[in-house]
Amino acid sequence: GAGVSQSPSNKVTEKGKDVELRCDPISGHTALYWYRQSLGQGLEFLIYFQGNSAPDKSGLPSDRFSAERTGGSVSTLTIQRTQQEDSAVYLCASSLVAGTAGANVLTFGAGSRLTVL
Amino acid sequence: GIQVEQSPPDLILQEGANSTLRCNFSDSVNNLQWFHQNPWGQLINLFYIPSGTKQNGRLSATTVATERYSLLYISSSQTTDSGVYFCAVVLTSGTYKYIFGTGTRLKVLA
Repeated sequence: GAGVSQSPSNKVTEKGKDVELRCDPISGHTALYWYRQSLGQGLEFLIYFQGNSAPDKSGLPSDRFSAERTGGSVSTLTIQRTQQEDSAVYLCASSLVAGTAGANVLTFGAGSRLTVL
Repeated sequence: GIQVEQSPPDLILQEGANSTLRCNFSDSVNNLQWFHQNPWGQLINLFYIPSGTKQNGRLSATTVATERYSLLYISSSQTTDSGVYFCAVVLTSGTYKYIFGTGTRLKVLA
């Protein structure tokens, strides 16, 4: 697509429920990133995918968080047994190729706002 | 781990004023971007600038990679410049994730 698309834009859930957030990157972009932004804070790296390489999961805060990328395109971030501290905006970005000078320019989606009651 | 510090943390300007935002990083980097997060939360790429100087209208940026800093200049500020400015870097060594700075919150008054 023309831009990075994220859904849902807003999600309200109860503590303990599982949630799935979706990201559709720009067509042809091989790198996809997930970040989290709590209210009034900076961006916290969660995970990134580059082509068929093993993802860098070093930013996932706990084993309740997981992400997959099917067919090198759409990605789903799953949070199991949600907690109130998971409330944040989850941002997805894509770039042409991670690690290649000039090709690793991030474009962000509008984000998914998650509220855990 | 790498530190990415931005200054000032907060800035209030009168419309028409100029400003300089700074990004310091503690390790060697080979990618650097400046973003503007508008009041609606959307992150907009301003510059991809791992080194050198670039200009786009009223905005310009300079990165001196050997001295580990980057500067974003805003001239003749407008109320629409309000928001949070982030720099983000990728380490020369290690994986290709972008690490974001602490941000500068700018408010431009009419």
